[in-house]
Amino acid sequence: GNSVTQMEGPVTLSEEAFLTINCTYTATGYPSLFWYVQYPGEGLQLLLKATKADDKGSNKGFEATYRKETTSFHLEKGSVQVSDSAVYFCALVSLEYGNKLVFGAGTILRVKS
Amino acid sequence: ETGVTQSPTHLIKTRGQQVTLRCSSQSGHNTVSWYQQALGQGPQFIFQYYREEENGRGNFPPRFSGLQFPNYSSELNVNALELDDSALYLCASTLDLGQLNTEAFFGQGTRLTVV
Repeated sequence: GNSVTQMEGPVTLSEEAFLTINCTYTATGYPSLFWYVQYPGEGLQLLLKATKADDKGSNKGFEATYRKETTSFHLEKGSVQVSDSAVYFCALVSLEYGNKLVFGAGTILRVKS
Repeated sequence: ETGVTQSPTHLIKTRGQQVTLRCSSQSGHNTVSWYQQALGQGPQFIFQYYREEENGRGNFPPRFSGLQFPNYSSELNVNALELDDSALYLCASTLDLGQLNTEAFFGQGTRLTVV
């Protein structure tokens, strides 16, 4: 079945450091890929998405590229801020499952000033 | 346009009791999905409702049931609560089942604690 694997956290960085959170997936067909962010005490917010191979999603300085050959969708940001501290979830949707999101376990990011 | 709202925000129940959680979908959205997020885990799909009919179910027992009303708001009911049901329950709304590039809008969740 479909699944998403994320790097384990927590990831602790200093402000302005470079961020990478790894995400790989297993899916039949051609899934769409998403990164969601969850701030403390809140629900999930869509951060970025990519719907086909080689697409790059970007938002608020975050980027991720849909790599079909490596089944990956790694999240990157060149310079993190304290306000980026949150839990980040990689997720996919595939045609076989309609718009039911399949999530990874989440990666906690802590940014220190 | 209004966002997705869930009620209550927090709830404490005793093992064996029943609970009802509520969700108002985003204005214009006719599809509601429910997810269970255990502590330290990613959300797990429970079921989805489209125009008042169940449209897909995850790996959850029958004591998890739901409803969708004509205004597309939804309820999640859990009977015979178990300690492992303690989790954050998230509701997400989309339009017309959603397409592969459609954004799902999430509520802030209901934190259920079973003691």
